[in-house]
Amino acid sequence: DAGVIQSPRHEVTEMGQEVTLRCKPISGHNSLFWYRQTMMRGLELLIYFNNNVPIDDSGMPEDRFSAKMPNASFSTLKIQPSEPRDSAVYFCASSPLVSATQYFGPGTRLTVL
Amino acid sequence: AQSVTQLDSQVPVFEEAPVELRCNYSSSVSVYLFWYVQYPNQGLQLLLKYLSGSTLVKGINGFEAEFNKSQTSFHLRKPSVHISDTAEYFCAVSALSGAGSYQLTFGKGTKLSVIP
Repeated sequence: DAGVIQSPRHEVTEMGQEVTLRCKPISGHNSLFWYRQTMMRGLELLIYFNNNVPIDDSGMPEDRFSAKMPNASFSTLKIQPSEPRDSAVYFCASSPLVSATQYFGPGTRLTVL
Repeated sequence: AQSVTQLDSQVPVFEEAPVELRCNYSSSVSVYLFWYVQYPNQGLQLLLKYLSGSTLVKGINGFEAEFNKSQTSFHLRKPSVHISDTAEYFCAVSALSGAGSYQLTFGKGTKLSVIP
């Protein structure tokens, strides 16, 4: 079975550019989570969706960050404009709706120059 | 709100020696407990989880953890480590949110280095 799929795996961009990260959850999973991992702050939950609806976006650091889930098999995290401090590894995870167990994708390593 | 404390940021251990990675949590509600492993430049892989039942939980790669409610701990152990166990290990707690979903709160991680 395919796990959580994320693309791209690596992204290098320049400050001010728009960045879009993509995630395909495990089929049948109704909850999707976006996390950011940095050395300083560890793993932080940015936002999560249930049945394609954003439930809690209190972890989104600034208005420059936005996330969408247009259907059950696809989600995007967009940063516009990007800044060097956004450099991090971004993970997507999914779970069945009433399950506490989350399954993580391989992550996208973002470098903003 | 929940919090997780991983008491050691780095643990060096010789190959074939036993290891214990410590995790303590704080929560005002019942929680589920998890250990994830992250190999270099990879995502997080579920190692084991405690949801209910027996407090001794066995996971993949020979790891096990024991849930101790009175001490609010969930320490991870392995009787004999291999070079391939070198990775970062994350303890996490999950509790039901007001929106009816489970949210994970992670510890800062413990880097296990296995020395040949």
